Amino acid sequence: GAGVSQSPSNKVTEKGKDVELRCDPISGHTALYWYRQRLGQGLEFLIYFQGNSAPDKSGLPSDRFSAERTGESVSTLTIQRTQQEDSAVYLCASSLGPVAGELFFGEGSRLTVL
Amino acid sequence: DQQVKQNSPSLSVQEGRISILNCDYTNSMFDYFLWYKKYPAEGPTFLISISSIKDKNEDGRFTVFLNKSAKHLSLHIVPSQPGDSAVYFCAASLRGGAQKLVFGQGTRLTINP
Repeated sequence: GAGVSQSPSNKVTEKGKDVELRCDPISGHTALYWYRQRLGQGLEFLIYFQGNSAPDKSGLPSDRFSAERTGESVSTLTIQRTQQEDSAVYLCASSLGPVAGELFFGEGSRLTVL
Repeated sequence: DQQVKQNSPSLSVQEGRISILNCDYTNSMFDYFLWYKKYPAEGPTFLISISSIKDKNEDGRFTVFLNKSAKHLSLHIVPSQPGDSAVYFCAASLRGGAQKLVFGQGTRLTINP
């Protein structure tokens, strides 16, 4: 499709397990973002990739969180040893260039940690 | 440290009337502001933006106003329609520096027939 694609759309896991979330940005978009939205909260910035520059990881909440991006394509967000407070919708977005502007969001991956 | 704040978690407006959603920010370095709309189970979609060199931007039924001295922006929707019922997020960024968008907590707008 032409939009940002995320998988899985829903993930239920047990506390302590690792999870991997995937994002396929819009083709040609050099910038990719991960946000998360906890229940009733706003969108919380996690990490930002721009081309081959070093990612801005300033929003990652702990060292259990990591993300990778291969070139200007797919990104994976990995959460190790999941905790119940990690339960949230994880949203990926992409945009054309380095200047923040209109972000195109995927539908999100809903993570539930039991 | 909530740099972008939407103090009203919800707003209810009658169809045909004006909806006004408000947003305050604390970082005076922000120079670009956006509004996003989110329906349930969907990702946010871009609605309208404004640069800090302007104080108003209009797109059809949607107008965003920026008051830099008050560090306040608002989104006006007129006339309001039932399809406008959604959660609205304001966001801010630094064009020349960090590119990440900082979002507010969102305001749930309900348009009543």
